[in-house]
Amino acid sequence: EAGVVQSPRYKIIEKKQPVAFWCNPISGHNTLYWYRQNLGQGPELLIRYENEEAVDDSQLPKDRFSAERLKGVDSTLKIQPAELGDSAVYLCASSSGPGTEAFFGQGTRLTVV
Amino acid sequence: DAKTTQPTSMDCAEGRAANLPCNHSTISGNEYVYWYRQIHSQGPQYIIHGLKNNETNEMASLIITEDRKSSTLILPHATLRDTAVYYCIVRVTTSGTYKYIFGTGTRLKVLA
Repeated sequence: EAGVVQSPRYKIIEKKQPVAFWCNPISGHNTLYWYRQNLGQGPELLIRYENEEAVDDSQLPKDRFSAERLKGVDSTLKIQPAELGDSAVYLCASSSGPGTEAFFGQGTRLTVV
Repeated sequence: DAKTTQPTSMDCAEGRAANLPCNHSTISGNEYVYWYRQIHSQGPQYIIHGLKNNETNEMASLIITEDRKSSTLILPHATLRDTAVYYCIVRVTTSGTYKYIFGTGTRLKVLA
């Protein structure tokens, strides 16, 4: 069974440019998470979906970050415009329900120059 | 606002048991303790979780103290491939939703 798939694996952009990350969760998993991991730190939750509904986006910087999960399957996280401080690894995870363990993708490493 | 405290780093000899401690003194009665590990350049990998009782699976054992203020993850026979950052996480319930709050983890190095 395929795990959580994220793309791209790496992305380098100039500041003020837009960028988007894509996540395909494990089939049948209704819960989807986006995390951001800064160098040397643990992952921090940005947003959590139950199906297509964002049930926790309190940590998402809404001035420049947006996310969507149309049809409750794939999800896209967007940053517009990117800032130098957005350089990090963006992780997607999914679980079969809100109380079950989450499975993580390999992440997208974003570098803003 | 991580709810767990872990040592920054630990070493363990290959073949020996690795015991990774975690303090979660402010844990609430319905909050689970989860352990994940992250090998370099990969996403976190689920290891084990528990509420009150000790748990064991094919990867590890989780020992939770009776007052639930601390726990220990045990890798019974550490191998070089167990070298990773290990995160002890308290799953927080807020307004009916769950949130996994990661700390900075313990960097375990298994030595040959």
